[in-house]
Amino acid sequence: SAVISQKPSRDICQRGTSLTIQCQVDSQVTMMFWYRQQPGQSLTLIATANQGSEATYESGFVIDKFPISRPNLTFSTLTVSNMSPEDSSIYLCSVLGPFREKLFFGSGTQLSVL
Amino acid sequence: KQEVTQIPAALSVPEGENLVLNCSFTDSAIYNLQWFRQDPGKGLTSLLLIQSSQREQTSGRLNASLDKSSGRSTLYIAASQPGDSATYLCAGGGGKLIFGQGTTLQVKP
Repeated sequence: SAVISQKPSRDICQRGTSLTIQCQVDSQVTMMFWYRQQPGQSLTLIATANQGSEATYESGFVIDKFPISRPNLTFSTLTVSNMSPEDSSIYLCSVLGPFREKLFFGSGTQLSVL
Repeated sequence: KQEVTQIPAALSVPEGENLVLNCSFTDSAIYNLQWFRQDPGKGLTSLLLIQSSQREQTSGRLNASLDKSSGRSTLYIAASQPGDSATYLCAGGGGKLIFGQGTTLQVKP
């Protein structure tokens, strides 16, 4: 299995500000994934973060709004920029396990934007 | 495009009851099917993974089955306990996982 540390666990932010979420994995992984879970909804993939290249964003998500860094094989950050109340969600990072089959998740960041 | 649907959306049962959660998917070319548990405001915990070549997986009181031909997976929970109360999500895919909306389970003491 993979152990993922994600922080902050929760934050309350003001409209127009930005928040950076950090994700640390206890082993080297090729791909890291960032998901969003809006209130009462299921998970939606934001982007896939590959080390050494730009992240690949899903339809409806753009780099200017959700810039991602992937400086090495164990760490990634997701920034939620110029936040509005609509960005209030749980944000989760995940990785494929060592056999690239099972998906493991961090504990999530619960973001509230006022 | 793969779509994943979970029924029921919510379920309340008395402690000790056996129960089944359902998950259906539209694209039978599914690589694997994974069941997760999510506690309120928390991340996801992986419960069971069924690969496309498998029909079922078991872990303790949990048993998950996969029928690709009918586009269905079920999660069976035996002798339910109040600690099983959570939202259960299934996710399937061939590369990217597509998540269902989840079934919120409440087990009453």
